[in-house]
Parts: sequence; structure tokens; C-alpha cells
Amino acid sequence: SQQGEEDPQALSIQEGENATMNCSYKTSINNLQWYRQNSGRGLVHLILIRSNEREKHSGRLRVTLDTSKKSSSLLITASRAADTASYFCATDASSGNTGKLIFGQGTTLQVKP
Amino acid sequence: EAGVTQFPSHSVIEKGQTVTLRCDPISGHDNLYWYRRVMGKEIKFLLHFVKESKQDESGMPNNRFLAERTGGTYSTLKVQPAELEDSGVYFCASSQDYGRESPLHFGNGTRLTVT
Repeated sequence: SQQGEEDPQALSIQEGENATMNCSYKTSINNLQWYRQNSGRGLVHLILIRSNEREKHSGRLRVTLDTSKKSSSLLITASRAADTASYFCATDASSGNTGKLIFGQGTTLQVKP
Repeated sequence: EAGVTQFPSHSVIEKGQTVTLRCDPISGHDNLYWYRRVMGKEIKFLLHFVKESKQDESGMPNNRFLAERTGGTYSTLKVQPAELEDSGVYFCASSQDYGRESPLHFGNGTRLTVT
């Protein structure tokens, strides 16, 4: 079974709309991170939220974390065509201080101009 | 700063052959990770180097995979002999600090196809 599962798997919206992606996980975590991947490129770190935090903002990004439900959401406000990418949540559940991450399968976001 | 670079970007080999993937981390990053994404599945951790030492290789699928990081700079991941199920995208990532809050910087990946 996988640690992170994103929902929806694919999302298509118009430019200017908000996009919400959800992530669920199974075990206790140290933190949860969101990454973006443009087609054919590497993953880019977007934001990290610690297990004792409930909400975090970075520019047009808003991340929430509910450890009781083992879930997180990523909200992108006022989306742009350039936001078209795959988005992955990743959890750090390691017992050691290693930074080893467990990724979900990702949500593919298409923002239409 | 130069990012994480991986070579080659694509590799097509036949089953039973050997392939070596290379990763150059960001200069000064002691932590180097290998991940892979097999088609249709999630990105999975393979192993983690701190400088030249293997810190965690719990994700290595079997002994056909050998990772090295001689001198603590670049790393290689060798698959020998390659099997069909090894096809996928292999990502390398590096981070500066040793800790769970250090963001990973990823390379563009090597797409490996085993036929």
C-alpha cells in the first residue's frame, strides 16, 4: 500500500480559477511536502508543513494539514497557464533524521488559458 | 548555481544488458538520493548517500542495482543485468543539510527503457 494518495488524479480548470488537490497518507509523519513537476523535468519543492502546523501559505499556495484525518490539501489561487504540471505530496515518516520521502502518485493539473 | 544534472536523459537497452546512470549533485550538497518512478506508479525511494557513505539503501529492489558515490561528489547507479521491470524514470536529488526539513533538489531524471 502506498503512503501518499492524491485526489483527484487529474484536474482541468480555466485560468484564474482556484485549484485544490488533496493528499492522504497512512502513517504518522514528521512533515508533509508538496512538489511540482513540469513535463520532462525534475520535481521542484513548493512548500513544507510540519506535523504540528495546520496551515501554511506561500504566495498563491495554501497548504493545510489535518493529522487526525491524515490528509493535506494544496490550494493554488488565481491559477495561471504556467501552473500546468503534476503535483506530488511527499511525507517524511522516517524514524531517523534522514529526509527520506514517500511520494504519492500525483495530480495532473491542466490550466487552460 | 547549477542544478542537479543527470546523464543520460534517455537510455534504451535490451534485457540482460548493463546500464550506468550518472548524477552530479549541486556543489556542496552532501546528501544525494536516488528515486525512481516505474510507469503508472508512485515515485519510490531507492537510497541515500551522505557524502560517500550509504546512509539508507532500504529501497534498492535487488542486488542487480549498485550505487556508488566515490569521493562524495557524483554518483552512479548501475543496473546489471537489466530486466523489463526496471523500465522507468530514475531521479537523483540532493540536499545541503542533513535533516528532514531540507528540501530536495531534483534532476530531470533518466528515462530508462528495457526492451
